[in-house]
Amino acid sequence: DSGVTQTPKHLITATGQRVTLRCSPRSGDLSVYWYQQSLDQGLQFLIQYYNGEERAKGNILERFSAQQFPDLHSELNLSSLELGDSALYFCASSVGGGPKGYTFGSGTRLTVV
Amino acid sequence: SQQGEEDPQALSIQEGENATMNCSYKTSINNLQWYRQNSGRGLVHLILIRSNEREKHSGRLRVTLDTSKKSSSLLITASRAADTASYFCATVPKRNMNYGGSQGNLIFGKGTKLSVKP
Repeated sequence: DSGVTQTPKHLITATGQRVTLRCSPRSGDLSVYWYQQSLDQGLQFLIQYYNGEERAKGNILERFSAQQFPDLHSELNLSSLELGDSALYFCASSVGGGPKGYTFGSGTRLTVV
Repeated sequence: SQQGEEDPQALSIQEGENATMNCSYKTSINNLQWYRQNSGRGLVHLILIRSNEREKHSGRLRVTLDTSKKSSSLLITASRAADTASYFCATVPKRNMNYGGSQGNLIFGKGTKLSVKP
């Protein structure tokens, strides 16, 4: 157990639907990062939050949004889902104040049918 | 977009042999990190090397960094079957660092798939 908790582990949904992925960071970590991993695109950075505020945006589609709550957990919302959104979605957390390794959750496998 | 490119894409060796993976990146970095991923699972942080360091060791792992060539290598010595996994290099570009106290996002390469045969 890495200390970063992601739920659900698996999700199967139909095209056009909306889903919410949840992440609880490791205790004490203020930064949360969302990544998408697919076979063709590899690991793509989506978005970062730090202590409740959005800090950086990567290749995140307009159909996707995220937020970080006061208790530091984060949610990634994916809407109007397409077949191509099928991927592994990872959340990672890190503590601020200098370069350190990130701690990744075990991911949510999203399958859009 | 990808920052790093690992080489080779796949590597198959026998137990006990050494495995070397290389990574090249494009922009100036603050630090470079290596991660391991077992099939379909989360990534595990292995080692971090800062831009002002040239070599770092951790157990059977040895990482080198050449900022003039924008490249890094990961050496796993005396490999074991349990080392079978995908290995990714990831960079924190200089422009991403120390933004209001938070560490910037990692940019990953495409990974090297290592297979260690017993």
